[in-house]
Amino acid sequence: AQTVTQSQPEMSVQEAETVTLSCTYDTSESNYYLFWYKQPPSRQMILVIRQEAYKQQNATENRFSVNFQKAAKSFSLKISDSQLGDTAMYFCAFMKEGQGNLIFGKGTKLSVKP
Amino acid sequence: DSGVTQTPKHLITATGQRVTLRCSPRSGDLSVYWYQQSLDQGLQFLIQYYNGEERAKGNILERFSAQQFPDLHSELNLSSLELGDSALYFCASSVGGIREYEQYFGPGTRLTVT
Repeated sequence: AQTVTQSQPEMSVQEAETVTLSCTYDTSESNYYLFWYKQPPSRQMILVIRQEAYKQQNATENRFSVNFQKAAKSFSLKISDSQLGDTAMYFCAFMKEGQGNLIFGKGTKLSVKP
Repeated sequence: DSGVTQTPKHLITATGQRVTLRCSPRSGDLSVYWYQQSLDQGLQFLIQYYNGEERAKGNILERFSAQQFPDLHSELNLSSLELGDSALYFCASSVGGIREYEQYFGPGTRLTVT
């Protein structure tokens, strides 16, 4: 069975600084997807970024980028130029290719301070 | 706005009762997924339907059932409710098939069992 571990329950960062959230996963699958979702106080689940396991290049979406280390089964999220609106819970998630169910980590609560 | 709608937004009911949560997927999406977010269990996958047929089952209790109708909306039925069923229930939708990784989440239904 696949598992996703987020070892940082809470983190804080100053506005305009850079922060990295950690995620490790365990799987024996070769083809899969990894995701970072953001859940602000409104509770809406918002996709931040997606990485296909077969792609060596790390995904980037504006201020958000990932460091995908397939051999180490590590998938960290870097947020550059942090903004107050980045304050939220961040969930790392895994999906096996061909299956639709997302497997989530416990989440990291990020606070961006002015 | 993801295009996925869920009703009601909030639901308060007593132990032993039965409730129905409703989800309308994005236009064109054939797959619907149900997730439960609770303090104890975190975010977990319950069940998936694709074009009216059950596709995958996760940690869904026997007291819970779901279905997807010909117009593709889905309902999650929760019966013999217990205090521990209090949670945020999300519905997500996707086109399905090779694009199952592209899931869009609804705003959720907050269920409180008293």
